[in-house]
Amino acid sequence: AQRVTQPEKLLSVFKGAPVELKCNYSYSGSPELFWYVQYSRQRLQLLLRHISRESIKGFTADLNKGETSFHLKKPFAQEEDSAMYYCALKLGGGATNKLIFGTGTLLAVQP
Amino acid sequence: GAVVSQHPSRVICKSGTSVKIECRSLDFQATTMFWYRQFPKQSLMLMATSNEGSKATYEQGVEKDKFLINHASLTLSTLTVTSAHPEDSSFYICSARDYVDTGELFFGEGSRLTVL
Repeated sequence: AQRVTQPEKLLSVFKGAPVELKCNYSYSGSPELFWYVQYSRQRLQLLLRHISRESIKGFTADLNKGETSFHLKKPFAQEEDSAMYYCALKLGGGATNKLIFGTGTLLAVQP
Repeated sequence: GAVVSQHPSRVICKSGTSVKIECRSLDFQATTMFWYRQFPKQSLMLMATSNEGSKATYEQGVEKDKFLINHASLTLSTLTVTSAHPEDSSFYICSARDYVDTGELFFGEGSRLTVL
């Protein structure tokens, strides 16, 4: 069955500390993975996608098919990174294919 | 970037009434829109896929007669919660993809429904 797992509900770190938000997936097809972020009182927005291999706001994520993981990392956390982070898996390659989400991890960056 | 707008952002209704929530893509055409439901401190649960000009595809466990979806144009999808009950109270979020599928979903701001 298709599934996205984010094991941590809450991750609290101090400013300047490294951050790793874990995401594992289960999918028989070729996975297309995303990280979405929701800042306080704002809508969900895309942070990054694995096919772009980009770094956004200092965050990176590498798809590891062997471990079926797509962990989100940042070497030095900032207070403005505090938000809810959702890992998402797109099922299939077409425009109509749906996105399923993990349960989310709340990142709290302490000053 | 692309903008998706939902209306209303908050609605309170009496038990037994029906409520319609609109989702519009403001600067792009969306052949496909998705409706999610989010319970407090929980993830987004996909309810249905709304396809322009055809019937919506519902996820397992979602009552299609309870949650009516209409996608009559390339910029508008509506979700109608029929005969609402208190357990239908939730945060409903729509999202859309444009013709050029980059995989990215654009999300509305959500609609909070409270059924008394």
